[in-house]
Amino acid sequence: SQKIEQNSEALNIQEGKTATLTCNYTNYSPAYLQWYRQDPGRGPVFLLLIRENEKEKRKERLKVTFDTTLKQSLFHITASQPADSATYLCALEGGGYQKVTFGIGTKLQVIP
Amino acid sequence: KAGVTQTPRYLIKTRGQQVTLSCSPISGHRSVSWYQQTPGQGLQFLFEYFSETQRNKGNFPGRFSGRQFSNSRSEMNVSTLELGDSALYLCASSGTGGENEQFFGPGTRLTVL
Repeated sequence: SQKIEQNSEALNIQEGKTATLTCNYTNYSPAYLQWYRQDPGRGPVFLLLIRENEKEKRKERLKVTFDTTLKQSLFHITASQPADSATYLCALEGGGYQKVTFGIGTKLQVIP
Repeated sequence: KAGVTQTPRYLIKTRGQQVTLSCSPISGHRSVSWYQQTPGQGLQFLFEYFSETQRNKGNFPGRFSGRQFSNSRSEMNVSTLELGDSALYLCASSGTGGENEQFFGPGTRLTVL
């Protein structure tokens, strides 16, 4: 069955450092991979989308890579700030009208 | 544009009762998806509606149902509530352009006693 794995343990990093979150998947051939941010008690907020034929995408301090051979996406936040503390979810979509499948998320804590 | 709205925000029910949750998507969005979120399982897909038709369905029992109206507003219903149905229920809408991103509402926190 399709499976998405994110490090469910919290990731603690020092302010100013680069945070790297991992999303691995099996039994899936996604057309798109998305990253969302979720704060406690709120709905997820879309951050970035990367397509299967793209290797890397950037948006301000965010960078996403997508390796369809390794079946892995890495999500980087450079120059991290305490305000970046949240849970980050990866989501895969098979394209067409297929449903979006979410990982369980990784909680990031940026320590001042 | 106004964001996705969900009502009610909080709900307390007892086992065996039924509940109806409502979602109003962003104006112009025709796709509405529903998710159940619990600490152990994360976001689990329930179903998606597009132009009043169910387009996708997740692996939930038949007690979970939904519908979409001609104005794209959607409702989901859970009958014969069980303790395990306690969760945050999130609705998300998406348009036909852009990057296929989903716009989530704040969710409805359902507690079943």
